[in-house]
Amino acid sequence: DAKTTQPPSMDCAEGRAANLPCNHSTISGNEYVYWYRQIHSQGPQYIIHGLKNNETNEMASLIITEDRKSSTLILPHATLRDTAVYYCIVRVLSVYNQGGKLIFGQGTELSVKP
Amino acid sequence: DAEITQSPRHKITETGRQVTLACHQTWNHNNMFWYRQDLGHGLRLIHYSYGVHDTNKGEVSDGYSVSRSNTEDLPLTLESAASSQTSVYFCASSGGGSSLADTQYFGPGTRLTVL
Repeated sequence: DAKTTQPPSMDCAEGRAANLPCNHSTISGNEYVYWYRQIHSQGPQYIIHGLKNNETNEMASLIITEDRKSSTLILPHATLRDTAVYYCIVRVLSVYNQGGKLIFGQGTELSVKP
Repeated sequence: DAEITQSPRHKITETGRQVTLACHQTWNHNNMFWYRQDLGHGLRLIHYSYGVHDTNKGEVSDGYSVSRSNTEDLPLTLESAASSQTSVYFCASSGGGSSLADTQYFGPGTRLTVL
């Protein structure tokens, strides 16, 4: 699985969009970009994933550059409850639905401030 | 609602004792995973299973064992607890037969302290 690089910490004002970057310059053609977050003392929570097209769900949007070497997770209207560590993970989506291991890096600690 | 649970949520034990942490999921997922989380190391994979009677070692499997006798449960056993195994343990599962089939869903965690 490709390695990812994220800034260690970011701040965001409540109500504003939070844009979390991730570099994955060694990503392979069959590797997906996954985002998870972990709120203090809780288990990691799945947010979104994508291959090459931009994706949006009820939690966030994922923007992947055309060369797929970087991506941005966007929380459109951050709230205090979005304060968490956000992990960007690159991995192959298993053909037989045998979930491969997730390799967690250090992530980005997002602090949403009033 | 389907869910994944872990028990106990907190456990204190002594060095050398055998400890078993429970993980139970009601999604009927084939895949289950155990991770540990320590300050400065993030989450690291201990063991995982792709189905009943299947088990595989992760990156930090020494001192741990798992067995999978049914779809719902993957208990993690520390054969002889050591202080280095003081950590927060997370169980996860995946494999629901949809486009999100490979997404792992995590339990609330078990905080284990070995004295």
